[in-house]
Amino acid sequence: IAGITQAPTSQILAAGRRMTLRCTQDMRHNAMYWYRQDLGLGLRLIHYSNTAGTTGKGEVPDGYSVSRANTDDFPLTLASAVPSQTSVYFCASRGQGVDGYTFGSGTRLTVV
Amino acid sequence: QKEVEQDPGPLSVPEGAIVSLNCTYSNSAFQYFMWYRQYSRKGPELLMYTYSSGNKEDGRFTAQVDKSSKYISLFIRDSQPSDSATYLCAFMNTGFQKLVFGTGTRLLVSP
Repeated sequence: IAGITQAPTSQILAAGRRMTLRCTQDMRHNAMYWYRQDLGLGLRLIHYSNTAGTTGKGEVPDGYSVSRANTDDFPLTLASAVPSQTSVYFCASRGQGVDGYTFGSGTRLTVV
Repeated sequence: QKEVEQDPGPLSVPEGAIVSLNCTYSNSAFQYFMWYRQYSRKGPELLMYTYSSGNKEDGRFTAQVDKSSKYISLFIRDSQPSDSATYLCAFMNTGFQKLVFGTGTRLLVSP
């Protein structure tokens, strides 16, 4: 089934630990995105990649890093997790046109 | 001023009611106006989108855009319990660079 796979689905993480959220798509979309969703703040863009080998900063990039070694994978890394990074993280990719966005089912991360 | 304003709700209605969901925005560069539906513990799914001003209808759903007032609406006719979800407005300029989302309105339709 074509789409986006995110892993893990949920995680409890101790503050200070390093964590990588995985995102894989099988639609050969060039553009990929990481959003975080928080109550009252909606979806905010963390990082994006317009094509393999390139990345850019979104609205809330601090504390996060990404890489795009190939078209299919776009991992998000928290180098040293803090409680304010407790959130639901969504990976998305974009194909052609306005209706080309596809979102994963999210990773629910709790930093304690 | 926030780029997008959306009432978080929750909005509770009985089955069969007409629902009106709204967003205001401040960025005149937005040309694409979208509504996403998000069920609990799922990612957002595109419900419908409109380019520039005007109305668009798809079954029980109607999207309206008033660019002069920077105001968009989503109407749901004959609402069903299965419509219970969070509805997010989203905006994009013609460069397709990124989506800007509202905070979402939680809708509850009771049988």
